[in-house]
Amino acid sequence: GENVEQHPSTLSVQEGDSAVIKCTYSDSASNYFPWYKQELGKRPQLIIDIRSNVGEKKDQRIAVTLNKTAKHFSLHITETQPEDSAVYFCAAPSKGGTSYGKLTFGQGTILTVHP
Amino acid sequence: DGGITQSPKYLFRKEGQNVTLSCEQNLNHDAMYWYRQDPGQGLRLIYYSQIVNDFQKGDIAEGYSVSREKKESFPLTVTSAQKNPTAFYLCASTSGTSGSREQFFGPGTRLTVL
Repeated sequence: GENVEQHPSTLSVQEGDSAVIKCTYSDSASNYFPWYKQELGKRPQLIIDIRSNVGEKKDQRIAVTLNKTAKHFSLHITETQPEDSAVYFCAAPSKGGTSYGKLTFGQGTILTVHP
Repeated sequence: DGGITQSPKYLFRKEGQNVTLSCEQNLNHDAMYWYRQDPGQGLRLIYYSQIVNDFQKGDIAEGYSVSREKKESFPLTVTSAQKNPTAFYLCASTSGTSGSREQFFGPGTRLTVL
């Protein structure tokens, strides 16, 4: 099945700096890569996703890049704010699950933005 | 935050007891999932169901059971066979169509074994 590795496990930045979280995947057939944000005590929520027919996607201060050759994708957050502090998860479709949304998640990154 | 609910929010269990966690959705989604969340291990899939009366084991199904008798409901039973059940449990659903793959999560149930 799919194997997703996420780094770093913790990331601490100053407000206004950029933050980058990286994930690698193993299944070259994977074609959908979402990122979820989970604030303390709350449920995970989708913040951005990318499909394999594009290399980059932006939404205001967040962006995701995809390198299919190297089988890795990254989340970029610019001009970080304290409210960006949360746990971030990457994911990729599990083998046999591309039609029904079954995902394999990375281990998560705890992002802390210091004022 | 409406659409998918879980109950109870907190649950305490004595060793040797079975407990059932509830998950309900009114999004008319076909697929539903149960995840277990432990610190530093991300979200691990326990069971999933793509359609009523059908479900499949995920990566860590041992000690758990599910049913899918109705489209909107996907309860999870944590049995006494689960050796380390203390964790945060998340239910999720997705429409199942190729056009939308977003998983919508419930608020979670925190299970503690006493």
